[in-house]
This record gives sequence, C-alpha cells and structure tokens, in this order.
Amino acid sequence: NAGVTQTPKFRILKIGQSMTLQCAQDMNHNYMYWYRQDPGMGLKLIYYSVGAGITDKGEVPNGYNVSRSTTEDFPLRLELAAPSQTSVYFCASSYWDTQTNNYGYTFGSGTRLTVV
Amino acid sequence: AQKITQTQPGMFVQEKEAVTLDCTYDTSDQSYGLFWYKQPSSGEMIFLIYQGSYDEQNATEGRYSLNFQKARKSANLVISASQLGDSAMYFCAMREVSYGGSQGNLIFGKGTKLSVKP
Repeated sequence: NAGVTQTPKFRILKIGQSMTLQCAQDMNHNYMYWYRQDPGMGLKLIYYSVGAGITDKGEVPNGYNVSRSTTEDFPLRLELAAPSQTSVYFCASSYWDTQTNNYGYTFGSGTRLTVV
Repeated sequence: AQKITQTQPGMFVQEKEAVTLDCTYDTSDQSYGLFWYKQPSSGEMIFLIYQGSYDEQNATEGRYSLNFQKARKSANLVISASQLGDSAMYFCAMREVSYGGSQGNLIFGKGTKLSVKP
C-alpha cells in the first residue's frame, strides 16, 4: 500500500515548456485533488475529481489541465509554463473513515517545480 | 466565503514545554471539519488531528490536542511536552464543500512556523 505517489519530486522547466505531473493512488479513493503551495503560504486547490471521468476547477485553475481516466491516476498538465507557476505541487485523495467517522485526506510527498 | 486565519507567522518554544498555535475560522456551514497538519522541512504534509463541528469533546491524539471553541470559531492546536522534532510549519485547515463534491476540499491557513529550542 503505497498511498499517494507523485513523480517527479523535482523539476526545472524553461518558460514556454510543457510537462505532466503524475499522481497515482492505490487506495481506491474516488476523490482526488491537486494543490499548489507558494512560499510562505498554505495550499490552494487547482483541480479536483470526484471519480473517474469527472473533473472540475478549483480556486486557481488557470494554466493547468487535468484528466481522470482511471480511479488510480490523476495527472496534472502544465502547458506553456510561466514563472508564476513556480511552486510546490501536492496531490491528495480523500475518503470517509468509517472507524473514526471522519473525512481523511492523504497527501503525496510533493513536486517542487521551478520555471526559469 | 470560508476562511482560515493563523495570526502567528512564527513561534518559539522551549523543549519540554507546551505551546498553543492559534487558528480561527469563518464559515456559515453548520457541518464542517477542522484539521491540523505538520509540514517539516522535508516538505510532506503530515496529518495530526481532526475535529468535527458536532464533536462535543475536544480531539486528542497523543501529545496533540485541539482546543475547540465553537462560539468563538477557534480551533487552537496544543502541543504538550515539545520535542526538537516538532520544529516545522503547522497548518490549520477546514473542509469546504463548495469544491470537491460531497467530500469537500481543504482550505488552508498560511501556517505557523514553530521552532523548538533545546
């Protein structure tokens, strides 16, 4: 049980390049999220998905796209990278914990992206 | 709109002492959940503790407890017997249902950097 796995851990992009941040979870969670964390700030929601084939925008979606063809994978695509997209990106999944009657959120270890 | 406010950018505490990290929230929902996460310098988000809006008892998890004052809309984290390994960023978060379907998205405060002195 690996939890939420993000790749790569680090990446440097040149302005205008594109890339895909990978996120995979093996917990069969339907709900998945992409966040970005700018220096000295909390996390902000980019996109989310409530299940395979269903995605929607979060608070800061501009410059990003997502897809969810399977329950396990939720990749984040950056097109035409800009310096403003320099950030740490976190993928997360959520579930209802029947033992504690709480919602639980599992985070990946993050991808540190620099656009130069 | 829902909002989380953490007013302490940085805090210092002596090893083995207790420390309180402040968090206030704003929501018009009756049902909500409050979370605290720890982010060490390595960057991962570590779940610490959860409090549901209908929970009558304050949540506790080992050395962590949540001082939940619903009328004041505050959810302060108390760390007892601080350890050097507690030095990290601490984020308060609230589950927001406007994004993320029925399970909701988490909205985060800006965080508090805790430094534990030996």
